[in-house]
Amino acid sequence: GAGVSQSPRYKVAKRGQDVALRCDPISGHVSLFWYQQALGQGPEFLTYFQNEAQLDKSGLPSDRFFAERPEGSVSTLKIQRTQQEDSAVYLCASSTRAATQGWYFGPGTRLTVT
Amino acid sequence: GQNIDQPTEMTATEGAIVQINCTYQTSGFNGLFWYQQHAGEAPTFLSYNVLDGLEEKGRFSSFLSRSKGYSYLLLKELQMKDSASYLCAVRDSGNTPLVFGKGTRLSVIA
Repeated sequence: GAGVSQSPRYKVAKRGQDVALRCDPISGHVSLFWYQQALGQGPEFLTYFQNEAQLDKSGLPSDRFFAERPEGSVSTLKIQRTQQEDSAVYLCASSTRAATQGWYFGPGTRLTVT
Repeated sequence: GQNIDQPTEMTATEGAIVQINCTYQTSGFNGLFWYQQHAGEAPTFLSYNVLDGLEEKGRFSSFLSRSKGYSYLLLKELQMKDSASYLCAVRDSGNTPLVFGKGTRLSVIA
């Protein structure tokens, strides 16, 4: 596709439910990043992949968060036993290795945990 | 640690010029990025600086001083559609994850 796509765009989950958020990066982009953005704040890093390898997951807030990119393209961020504090917009971005033209962000998934 | 500071909010008049400052402290440096984010939308790339100096792109310019840990984004001939949050982000090496500031919410008024 022309840009980074994410699905679903909006997700409402009851506390305790598991959710899976999908990211389709720009074709050929080696690097893929997940960020969490609370209302009125800047994006906070969660994890990133280079191809299928998860190179850094230091930003994942707890072991309830898990991300994968098994074939080096599509990535899924899974949140188990959701809590209210997980409510945020989850942004995915992709880039070439050098990224001198910046990263390209998807539209985000707005997660609301009730 | 890594720290990026930018003002929380700014207001400017349509047609005017506004400068949004960003200061950073990071363990390494491999580029500073500016993004624009309209409410409810994804950040979109505006500019990238890795060397000292001014990069100009139409109505938008970005300046970097690595020795001072300082950058600014300059917006000229402001339009109402420029009302958005402007995010400063720094990469410390290679293509490692960007560290973002909290963003500056710019309101353009008539």
